[in-house]
Amino acid sequence: EVQLVESGGGTVQPGGSLRLSCTASGFTFNKYWMAWFRQAPGKGLEWVANLRGDGSVMHFVDSMKGRISISRDNAKNSLYLQMDSLRDEDTAVYFCARDTNFYDGSAFYDVFDMWGQGTMVIVSS
Amino acid sequence: ATQMTQSPSFLSASVGDRVTIICRASQDIRNDLGWYQQRPGEAPKLLIYATSTLQSGVPSRFSGSGSGTDFTLTISSLQPEDFATYYCLQDSTYPRTFGQGTKVAVK
Repeated sequence: EVQLVESGGGTVQPGGSLRLSCTASGFTFNKYWMAWFRQAPGKGLEWVANLRGDGSVMHFVDSMKGRISISRDNAKNSLYLQMDSLRDEDTAVYFCARDTNFYDGSAFYDVFDMWGQGTMVIVSS
Repeated sequence: ATQMTQSPSFLSASVGDRVTIICRASQDIRNDLGWYQQRPGEAPKLLIYATSTLQSGVPSRFSGSGSGTDFTLTISSLQPEDFATYYCLQDSTYPRTFGQGTKVAVK
């Protein structure tokens, strides 16, 4: 079955750290860009970071730069998000998603066609 | 960062209605835009990418159009399963940015 499963969420104090994992199955993981998104309670979606299939290229949202890192272990079909110096405003459900880059002959487009169910991160004292 | 302004934030409609949601970018993003549907408690679902390309398995009542800074998602005849929140997402520049979302509710 083709799926993504996140884990690693929980409750952490402000200033603390957490490492989220996303385990993929049913597709050739190393061929795909992967991304993390988040959604604060009752709020909209926010793109957090992405990482190329070979792990060589990554991008981050400005609000979390310097506090997060993204990595992957293609042998384990896993994507990770290391979050440090966590703040109250980082409280959210974190989703991972597969990006099936679409190329129309002139440009690439993000195609987030598969999502995990999400893992909840609560930052609270 | 490219700002995405989505409107309306909320709309109420009936089954069978034609629904239009607008997304406006703060700068030219060519046709680098996707639309996602999210039901409560669920992960987002891709509807459309590259402004107007329907994702496999998505009903043809969904369509997208636009280019540059102005984009539209249209549901031609609203179905019961379409009551949800819809988001646009630009993939022209980093960081990727979403619109604020449009909640489509039962009138």
